[in-house]
Amino acid sequence: DVKVTQSSRYLVKRTGEKVFLECVQDMDHENMFWYRQDPGLGLRLIYFSYDVKMKEKGDIPEGYSVSREKKERFSLILESASTNQTSMYLCASSTSSSYNEQFFGPGTRLTVL
Amino acid sequence: RKEVEQDPGPFNVPEGATVAFNCTYSNSASQSFFWYRQDCRKEPKLLMSVYSSGNEDGRFTAQLNRASQYISLLIRDSKLSDSATYLCGSGSARQLTFGSGTQLTVLP
Repeated sequence: DVKVTQSSRYLVKRTGEKVFLECVQDMDHENMFWYRQDPGLGLRLIYFSYDVKMKEKGDIPEGYSVSREKKERFSLILESASTNQTSMYLCASSTSSSYNEQFFGPGTRLTVL
Repeated sequence: RKEVEQDPGPFNVPEGATVAFNCTYSNSASQSFFWYRQDCRKEPKLLMSVYSSGNEDGRFTAQLNRASQYISLLIRDSKLSDSATYLCGSGSARQLTFGSGTQLTVLP
């Protein structure tokens, strides 16, 4: 079974803190993605990566950055957390040949106070 | 305007009913289409891809209408276990764009 793991299920941070969310997949997938999911807005793509050290902006990259130093690991960084970044963050991975099927991690519920 | 739009519901249907969801997309360059299922407090999982000719998987039938730019999902003989949120979406250039989901509750 494909497994995508995320470093925390729940996280509480203060405004202005730097936040790291880590994601690891064990299926040697080329593509990795970070989404946030909010009620009424659905899943919105923040950043994605189709190879090590490569990154592409998604629909809402402002206030976020990413790092992909190893194929299996994709990190999302909030340089200075703000209250409007309170959300559920979901990581996903897929192969290049079958990108319709993304495998999601369990999510990290981030609350910024 | 959202790139992918779907009725959020909720749809409350009795067990055994047939229920249909529609979803519209605005990007005419989209190359792939799909439905994901998301259970409460869980991550989304691919339910089925949607092909131009339409496709069926057991009680689930998905159809694509490129001319009108909509995708549909039909669930026959609903089960209690079908209760979930159904996300439709489209894909191009390795990215997927999701709708905000339609909530389905199947009642005993």
